[in-house]
Amino acid sequence: DGGITQSPKYLFRKEGQNVTLSCEQNLNHDAMYWYRQDPGQGLRLIYYSQIVNDFQKGDIAEGYSVSREKKESFPLTVTSAQKNPTAFYLCASSIGGKFTNEKLFFGSGTQLSVL
Amino acid sequence: QKEVEQDPGPLSVPEGAIVSLNCTYSNSAFQYFMWYRQYSRKGPELLMYTYSSGNKEDGRFTAQVDKSSKYISLFIRDSQPSDSATYLCPERLGSQGNLIFGKGTKLSVKP
Repeated sequence: DGGITQSPKYLFRKEGQNVTLSCEQNLNHDAMYWYRQDPGQGLRLIYYSQIVNDFQKGDIAEGYSVSREKKESFPLTVTSAQKNPTAFYLCASSIGGKFTNEKLFFGSGTQLSVL
Repeated sequence: QKEVEQDPGPLSVPEGAIVSLNCTYSNSAFQYFMWYRQYSRKGPELLMYTYSSGNKEDGRFTAQVDKSSKYISLFIRDSQPSDSATYLCPERLGSQGNLIFGKGTKLSVKP
């Protein structure tokens, strides 16, 4: 079955530690996205990538980094510079092409908490 | 960051009730409309997708678009406890044209 796989489901970060969230898709989609969701809040865009080896900052990119070395993979690193990392992180993908009628497909999310 | 305006909720209804969820969007160039359903601690799933004004029906769900008033609605007939979730209606805003999601409307259907 095609889909988006996020791992791990739960992740804990210690002070000063960088952690990486995995996102893999087998939908052959060009575009991938990372969103952050805080309790009772909307989804906020962290980073997005329209094509391999290229990515752009979203609305809340500070303290995060990404890479897009393969079409299928778009890992997100939460760095120690992110002072409030506790949140539910969602990865999504779409066929691609800006300003098109693209539908977003989401993974099941990773809950990141600070120890 | 501007957010999509949705009925704030939470909304609690008895099983079998008709539910109406509403969104107001601001981008007049927005041509296609989506409703996502998000269960607690899960990723949103695409529920309805329509590219025009008027109604689109899918089983117990009907999406209604009124472009003249920039208003979209989702109607759920014969609501079930399994419909208990948060419903999101994203809009495409901003210079990059990415989808913007609001807080959504949390629905609880009581047996």
